[in-house]
Amino acid sequence: KQEVTQIPAALSVPEGENLVLNCSFTDSAIYNLQWFRQDPGKGLTSLLLIQSSQREQTSGRLNASLDKSSGRSTLYIAASQPGDSATYLCAAEEGGSNYKLTFGKGTLLTVNP
Amino acid sequence: DVKVTQSSRYLVKRTGEKVFLECVQDMDHENMFWYRQDPGLGLRLIYFSYDVKMKEKGDIPEGYSVSREKKERFSLILESASTNQTSMYLCASSPRREQYFGPGTRLTVT
Repeated sequence: KQEVTQIPAALSVPEGENLVLNCSFTDSAIYNLQWFRQDPGKGLTSLLLIQSSQREQTSGRLNASLDKSSGRSTLYIAASQPGDSATYLCAAEEGGSNYKLTFGKGTLLTVNP
Repeated sequence: DVKVTQSSRYLVKRTGEKVFLECVQDMDHENMFWYRQDPGLGLRLIYFSYDVKMKEKGDIPEGYSVSREKKERFSLILESASTNQTSMYLCASSPRREQYFGPGTRLTVT
């Protein structure tokens, strides 16, 4: 059974800092890896989706990488801003799973002005 | 923009009541999902549907059922609500792989 782990559980940084969030998964036979953002009491917003054949995806100040062989993905946030404060979740879709995602528990990011 | 709406943001029900949570998407997506989110446990899949009248159990289907009579609407039913079903319920829809989430319903069962 796929297990997804995110470290650290919480992270606090000063504004302007570049930072990396980590995600690891136990079964490398994934179809894709997705990163989401969740604001308190709200639903999830999709940030980036990396197909299993890809190594990275970029959107603005966000860059996500995927290393299937080591079971790891990272989300890099450049020049962090207070508006980036949220919980970031990664989720792995297993090959042949019919779209089922296994989520990590998330990293709570606080960017201090 | 994709829009996924859920019928209530907050809901309070009594133990033993039958509870209906509604989810509607406006993008003609084939796939729809119901999750619950609990502190320390993360998001867990309850049920999903890949077509009208088609459904599959997720990881924690016990105590729940679903209905998908129309493509745009996916309902989660708590047959007899219990206090351990107090949670945040999130609906999502997906055309293929990327999932789009609704705002969530925080359900409290007393």
